[in-house]
Amino acid sequence: DAEITQSPRHKITETGRQVTLACHQTWNHNNMFWYRQDLGHGLRLIHYSYGVQDTNKGEVSDGYSVSRSNTEDLPLTLESAASSQTSVYFCASSDRSGGNIQETQYFGPGTRLLVL
Amino acid sequence: DQQVKQNSPSLSVQEGRISILNCDYTNSMFDYFLWYKKYPAEGPTFLISISSIKDKNEDGRFTVFLNKSAKHLSLHIVPSQPGDSAVYFCAATGTASKLTFGTGTRLQVTL
Repeated sequence: DAEITQSPRHKITETGRQVTLACHQTWNHNNMFWYRQDLGHGLRLIHYSYGVQDTNKGEVSDGYSVSRSNTEDLPLTLESAASSQTSVYFCASSDRSGGNIQETQYFGPGTRLLVL
Repeated sequence: DQQVKQNSPSLSVQEGRISILNCDYTNSMFDYFLWYKKYPAEGPTFLISISSIKDKNEDGRFTVFLNKSAKHLSLHIVPSQPGDSAVYFCAATGTASKLTFGTGTRLQVTL
């Protein structure tokens, strides 16, 4: 079955370290998204991509970067981790195929990141 | 500036009764609305959606109502079951595929 996976599921790191969170989908979706979930804020968009070599900034992109070298993967990098980046991170994918005007986003299980 | 608002952080309903979760939005460009359900330690899962050309969409026990003039939508769950206990997120999108989420409502269905 097609799916979307994230790794690691849990990560503890220190302030200032570079961290990369992986996201892999087998839906063959063009669109991929990274969100963070924090209490009182819901899910906020960090970065997104509409296809290979395409990346865009979301609502809370400072301190994060992404790259899209293939359809299946959109890794999220925290260049220099800060305590404010302690959060739960979700990856999602979607595709406007089959003539659908709008598409549904499908989410991975999340990565819980703690920055000490 | 919160473009999608869920003003009730929590809701408790007895099993068998109706659960009504509310969502308000401010952006007139939103034309597609979704509800996601989230259990602890899992990713959000899609529940039901509605296009702005409709005012109601049903799927089994779940119905979403859209009032465009009031910029308000609601999710009705009838009858509520203990397995429905979760956090429910309202989300909205325009033409750019990006979703804007509300802050969520935690539903507790009691026996």
